[in-house]
Amino acid sequence: DAGITQSPRYKITETGRQVTLMCHQTWSHSYMFWYRQDLGHGLRLIYYSAAADITDKGEVPDGYVVSRSKTENFPLTLESATRSQTSVYFCASSDTGMNTEAFFGQGTRLTVV
Amino acid sequence: AQSVTQPDIHITVSEGASLELRCNYSYGATPYLFWYVQSPGQGLQLLLKYFSGDTLVQGIKGFEAEFKRSQSSFNLRKPSVHWSDAAEYFCAVDAGYSTLTFGKGTMLLVSP
Repeated sequence: DAGITQSPRYKITETGRQVTLMCHQTWSHSYMFWYRQDLGHGLRLIYYSAAADITDKGEVPDGYVVSRSKTENFPLTLESATRSQTSVYFCASSDTGMNTEAFFGQGTRLTVV
Repeated sequence: AQSVTQPDIHITVSEGASLELRCNYSYGATPYLFWYVQSPGQGLQLLLKYFSGDTLVQGIKGFEAEFKRSQSSFNLRKPSVHWSDAAEYFCAVDAGYSTLTFGKGTMLLVSP
């Protein structure tokens, strides 16, 4: 199916465990992004990528790692999950050039217990 | 640094009444502005965007927004609200490299 998909949709993990959230897009968009959504904070940028093998930090990168070996995939890894990382995570992608918009996935709800 | 303020956390509107959601931004250059809508348990859907040109932009689902540089505002409007418009609405500004800085959102409740 065309679009941007995230997996899993829901995840419960324990404090200290490593967890990876997956993001896949079929448009060959150059840019990909990870945001987290928390009550009272809206959405905040964690990391973004302008192309394969090019990534950069956003507003709240601590505790997260990303990679982008292929244009279509942009996994987000929590190296050692903490309760403060309980959140809804959204992946997005956009094309290059002017007048572009970001397309969002359905989100992954992560609970760290 | 860029920022977006949505002053209203919640707004309740009667079905059929008009709607205006407020958004103020802080950005040094000409801003690229967006309104997104999020239904419960869903991702974000773009309603409309402003890049340049006409300051009144039309979007999907009957929404429009007006860019006012002098007021640093980009308010979202709809002349007649439907129950299906109940959702959370986010204003955002392009912060460079296609990244977005979001406001904290406004939850719209529609009463019968």
